[in-house]
Amino acid sequence: GENVEQHPSTLSVQEGDSAVIKCTYSDSASNYFPWYKQELGKRPQLIIDIRSNVGEKKDQRIAVTLNKTAKHFSLHITETQPEDSAVYFCAASMGGSYIPTFGRGTSLIVHP
Amino acid sequence: GAVVSQHPSRVICKSGTSVKIECRSLDFQATTMFWYRQFPKKSLMLMATSNEGSKATYEQGVEKDKFLINHASLTLSTLTVTSAHPEDSSFYICSASERGVDTEAFFGQGTRLTVV
Repeated sequence: GENVEQHPSTLSVQEGDSAVIKCTYSDSASNYFPWYKQELGKRPQLIIDIRSNVGEKKDQRIAVTLNKTAKHFSLHITETQPEDSAVYFCAASMGGSYIPTFGRGTSLIVHP
Repeated sequence: GAVVSQHPSRVICKSGTSVKIECRSLDFQATTMFWYRQFPKKSLMLMATSNEGSKATYEQGVEKDKFLINHASLTLSTLTVTSAHPEDSSFYICSASERGVDTEAFFGQGTRLTVV
């Protein structure tokens, strides 16, 4: 089955800095890569996603890049704010059956 | 986006009793719902895939008789933790995808189960 590795497990930055979270996946058949943000005790919320026919996608301060050859994808958050503090999960799936495999999560802490 | 509602959000029960958690898709039909368990500061662990009108598919290591899943309609799946023990205490989350649409999965708000 699919295996998703996510790094780092914890990321601490100063407000205004950029944050980068990286994930790798094992199954070349995976073609959909969502990123979720989960605040403490709450449900994961989709923040951005990318499909395998696209190399990069951006939404305001958030961007995701995908390298299919290397089987890795990354989340980039620019101009971080304290409210960006949360746990971020990457995931990979093959669409269709739509069972995403999640990375272990990255706890992002943005210091004011 | 689509809404998935999970109930209850918190439950405390005594050891040996059973607890039922409901997951509803409020504005779309979900032929498939997923049940996850999440330990503190850990990722989402898929427990089972719930298919409307048929038996659930359980992940390896998940006890079918302990975690009973029923998906009786296109908008409702239930997870029943039977004969609960303190080690079953955890955060349980469901998710659902809209029928026939290859799109994101939407999560319920989760249920914090504490077994005392």
